[in-house]
Amino acid sequence: QQQVKQSPQSLIVQKGGISIINCAYENTAFDYFPWYQQFPGKGPALLIAIRPDVSEKKEGRFTISFNKSAKQFSLHIMDSQPGDSATYFCAANVNQGGKLIFGQGTELSVKP
Amino acid sequence: DTGVSQDPRHKITKRGQNVTFRCDPISEHNRLYWYRQTLGQGPEFLTYFQNEAQLEKSRLLSDRFSAERPKGSFSTLEIQRTEQGDSAMYLCASSSGQHNTEAFFGQGTRLTVV
Repeated sequence: QQQVKQSPQSLIVQKGGISIINCAYENTAFDYFPWYQQFPGKGPALLIAIRPDVSEKKEGRFTISFNKSAKQFSLHIMDSQPGDSATYFCAANVNQGGKLIFGQGTELSVKP
Repeated sequence: DTGVSQDPRHKITKRGQNVTFRCDPISEHNRLYWYRQTLGQGPEFLTYFQNEAQLEKSRLLSDRFSAERPKGSFSTLEIQRTEQGDSAMYLCASSSGQHNTEAFFGQGTRLTVV
């Protein structure tokens, strides 16, 4: 119940295309869903986050879509660029504390 | 202070040795977290502090692991009698704010046990 399942494991997208990464969870106590971007040798950096009271949040080229009834959420990267090539992690926050439960990660490669 | 700072960035140690890592959180962040990340996996929660109090420890944190945050500022993570399976990236994060949910990560300490 504490797991967050992420797919796909890897993704190759052409420059200018849309990258879509999906996550699913079981624990209905989760109340905060961030996405992190990680480059090799670096720590994860917060990209965008959403709470379950909204169905979509957009920041620049990055959009989170949230489906509370299906317990799923996804990250859309519009106009993907080679600089977006990184590993992306979805996560969920456990109700009573700040600890994050992370998905397994998606390695995104954007081809020029 | 522009972010979470971890030291050292890399550590190579022989099996059976003890190692200690340090984390300096963002100033005035009252929560500090430790995570472990192995290659190709997402970070796994180890433990977290609110100020100097250690509020939760994961079952991943065996008795060879100990973490402290004595003055509610920096934290240390010690691994005693290291094993090859301890090889991983150890990440520290801090957070503050009304919901204490936005966590900022350091660059990590990569531990290699040989």
